[in-house]
Amino acid sequence: AQKVTQAQTEISVVEKEDVTLDCVYETRDTTYYLFWYKQPPSGELVFLIRRNSFDEQNEISGRYSWNFQKSTSSFNFTITASQVVDSAVYFCALSAEFGATNKLIFGTGTLLAVQP
Amino acid sequence: GAVVSQHPSRVICKSGTSVKIECRSLDFQATTMFWYRQFPKQSLMLMATSNEGSKATYEQGVEKDKFLINHASLTLSTLTVTSAHPEDSSFYICSAVDRDTEAFFGQGTRLTVV
Repeated sequence: AQKVTQAQTEISVVEKEDVTLDCVYETRDTTYYLFWYKQPPSGELVFLIRRNSFDEQNEISGRYSWNFQKSTSSFNFTITASQVVDSAVYFCALSAEFGATNKLIFGTGTLLAVQP
Repeated sequence: GAVVSQHPSRVICKSGTSVKIECRSLDFQATTMFWYRQFPKQSLMLMATSNEGSKATYEQGVEKDKFLINHASLTLSTLTVTSAHPEDSSFYICSAVDRDTEAFFGQGTRLTVV
C-alpha cells in the first residue's frame, strides 16, 4: 500500500540554522511522483516541488534543496539558513496510484518552528 | 501559476444543517478535482475524486450520501456536507488538476459545526 512517513513531528531551530525534514515513502509502483508542500498557519498549501521517480537528481532552489534516494525510499528536504518565515507545517506527499499523478497521499507533516 | 478559488474560507453552521463549499479553477479547465479533509494538527486525507460530468469516486470510509460532490462544469466542483454534525468540523481543501501536469490547491474552508 502507498504510505508516506514523516517521523519528525516537530522541529525547532534558531534562525540561520540549517534544517532537514525527513520523508520516507512506500509504493509498489515503478512510476510515481513525490511532492513537498508548505502549510503556513493560514492553512493554504504552497507547492514546493514535484519529482518523478525516474529523476534522482538532487534539486536546489534558493535556500531549499531536496535529496531523492530511491535506494532508501527517501525524499528529504533541507532548508539552509532558516528564517522565521519558514515556520510552517511541511508535508511530503506521494502520488496515490499509477496514472493519477495528482491524487495524493500525504505524510503526517512536520511542524517547523524557526526562532528568532 | 494557476489559481484555484475556494469559497467560503470559513463557515459556522448549526448541527443538522447542510453546507456547500465551492472549488473553482479560475484560469484553466480542470477535468479532475480532489477533495481533502484535515482535522486539527493532522494530515490531509483524500475524501474523493471529482470528475467533470460523472459521479465522484469516494475513498474508503467516506460516506457518499453525507458528502455530496458535484462537478458540473470544467471549472467548478462543489462539496456539500449534509446534516452536518460537530464531528464534521474540519478543514476542507480542494485541488484542481490542469491536464495532470500539476495540482493547484484552493485556500481551504474551515468548517465549524455548533
